Amino acid sequence: GAVVSQHPSRVICKSGTSVKIECRSLDFQATTMFWYRQFPKQSLMLMATSNEGSKATYEQGVEKDKFLINHASLTLSTLTVTSAHPEDSSFYICSASGTGRDRWSYEQYFGPGTRLTVT
Amino acid sequence: RKEVEQDPGPFNVPEGATVAFNCTYSNSASQSFFWYRQDCRKEPKLLMSVYSSGNEDGRFTAQLNRASQYISLLIRDSKLSDSATYLCVVAPNTNAGKSTFGDGTTLTVKP
Repeated sequence: GAVVSQHPSRVICKSGTSVKIECRSLDFQATTMFWYRQFPKQSLMLMATSNEGSKATYEQGVEKDKFLINHASLTLSTLTVTSAHPEDSSFYICSASGTGRDRWSYEQYFGPGTRLTVT
Repeated sequence: RKEVEQDPGPFNVPEGATVAFNCTYSNSASQSFFWYRQDCRKEPKLLMSVYSSGNEDGRFTAQLNRASQYISLLIRDSKLSDSATYLCVVAPNTNAGKSTFGDGTTLTVKP
């Protein structure tokens, strides 16, 4: 299957600082990348969808000025949590889906996630 | 009503048991269907795609019923390593590719 990497895997930061998370598709071109958040024992919550070269589409209730998403190339998307607060502590996971016209374009391959702790 | 609904679980079964999960979806225009598994504190991993005719991969069988808008996953001869949360995923057949995830069903296989 396709490989998606995410960096860093774990980050601890102080309240008020900003944190950048990178998501890379290693062996395929990802036209679309998704960012999710998951709190303990809860389901995945889609935060935003980003297509290469265009602005991200945010889900209702997700602050676009707080969660900055950049999808500058077909292999890289970044999520920046600005002015992080303890309530932003969560497991952030990216996923990517590839190019192509067949149905397998809609399979999503997930990165290993980033565990963010804001103190 | 949620777009994708799964059996609430949890399912606790002995090794060797057969277990089935169901998932219903509300958008009749949905075209692509998947099962993912997620281990505790890990990312979801694609288990199998679901074809219209149904498909099998070893001990796992997936079925799609478009008329009733449900998907099923059958696991035969359960192993301890099958313990995980199983996520039903439904996607539209558009370039947006945005998928909708169910909340997941937790399976625990016991010795």
